[in-house]
Amino acid sequence: AQTVTQSQPEMSVQEAETVTLSCTYDTSESNYYLFWYKQPPSRQMILVIRQEAYKQQNATENRFSVNFQKAAKSFSLKISDSQLGDTAMYFCAFGGGATNKLIFGTGTLLAVQP
Amino acid sequence: EAQVTQNPRYLITVTGKKLTVTCSQNMNHEYMSWYRQDPGLGLRQIYYSMNVEVTDKGDVPEGYKVSRKEKRNFPLILESPSPNQTSLYFCASSLLGQGFYEQYFGPGTRLTVT
Repeated sequence: AQTVTQSQPEMSVQEAETVTLSCTYDTSESNYYLFWYKQPPSRQMILVIRQEAYKQQNATENRFSVNFQKAAKSFSLKISDSQLGDTAMYFCAFGGGATNKLIFGTGTLLAVQP
Repeated sequence: EAQVTQNPRYLITVTGKKLTVTCSQNMNHEYMSWYRQDPGLGLRQIYYSMNVEVTDKGDVPEGYKVSRKEKRNFPLILESPSPNQTSLYFCASSLLGQGFYEQYFGPGTRLTVT
């Protein structure tokens, strides 16, 4: 069975600084996808970035980028130039297999300080 | 506007009183799913459906029922709610096919069972 682990329950960063959120996963699947979701206080689940496991190039979306280490089963999220609006819970998620299920980590609560 | 809607957004009820949380999507997605979110546990899948009249259990199905009579709707039914079902519930939908398509989430339903 697949598992997703986020070992940082809470993190804090100063505005305009860079922060990295960690995520590790375990799977025996060869074809899968990894995601980072943002959940602001509104509780809406917002897709931040996705990575296909077969792609070696790390995904980037504006200030958000990932460091995907397939052999180490690691998938960290880097947020550059942090903004107050980045304050949220961030979930790492694994997608793959026949059931199309997303498996989520326990989340990292990020606070951006002014 | 492409979206997943859930109703109600907030619900307080008493133990044993049957309730239904509705979910509807306007994107003609084949796949729909229900997740519950609990502190320290992330999101866990309750039930999912890959097509009309096709539903299956996720990781935490006990105490829940679903139906998929129409492609756009996927209601979650709690026939005899208990306090351990107090949670934040999300409905999600996506296309199905080769690969793993982005799942679109509804706004969430906060349920309290007393």
